[in-house]
Amino acid sequence: NAGVMQNPRHLVRRRGQEARLRCSPMKGHSHVYWYRQLPEEGLKFMVYLQKENIIDESGMPKERFSAEFPKEGPSILRIQQVVRGDSAAYFCASSPPGQAKETQYFGPGTRLLVL
Amino acid sequence: AQTVTQSQPEMSVQEAETVTLSCTYDTSENNYYLFWYKQPPSRQMILVIRQEAYKQQNATENRFSVNFQKAAKSFSLKISDSQLGDTAMYFCAYTTDSWGKLQFGAGTQVVVTP
Repeated sequence: NAGVMQNPRHLVRRRGQEARLRCSPMKGHSHVYWYRQLPEEGLKFMVYLQKENIIDESGMPKERFSAEFPKEGPSILRIQQVVRGDSAAYFCASSPPGQAKETQYFGPGTRLLVL
Repeated sequence: AQTVTQSQPEMSVQEAETVTLSCTYDTSENNYYLFWYKQPPSRQMILVIRQEAYKQQNATENRFSVNFQKAAKSFSLKISDSQLGDTAMYFCAYTTDSWGKLQFGAGTQVVVTP
């Protein structure tokens, strides 16, 4: 059973461009979480999704950021018109049904660098 | 606001020695889970140990153990017989939500020296 997959692992964008980060949860997992880690800081929750539904987006900036988890395919975190402050590591985690509170499995992260 | 405090930015320990990392948290909930995650230089987040708040017995995983003091809202991690591969950033975290939103501390950098 493959772990949580994230791609790309590294992404470089210029200010004003769009960034798309992908996350494929572990097989059988229906919960997906996105976290952001700014340099020298801990992870901060951004959004929690189940298939085709955003359950909690309280940690996500209101503008330029969006997330989806379609019925088919990976979860996508989309950042429009990136700014230098968006440079960070973005981690995806997944958990199986009924075990969301107990265990989250993290992907390797995507390092976004905005020039 | 619910918070997690790790008061030690960095700890150094020699191989085979023991190091204890402190963590305090603030929540008004009664049922929650506590975690320690390890982030080595590869930046991968690795679960080290987990504790359920309603269990009084402290969790242990091989060389890793916790001291959970619920009344004091304290959750320290002890690494025994430290190994070079233990060098990493260690994050304390907890979740109170039914669907698992994790709150993380700022981390403690552990450096194991030969």
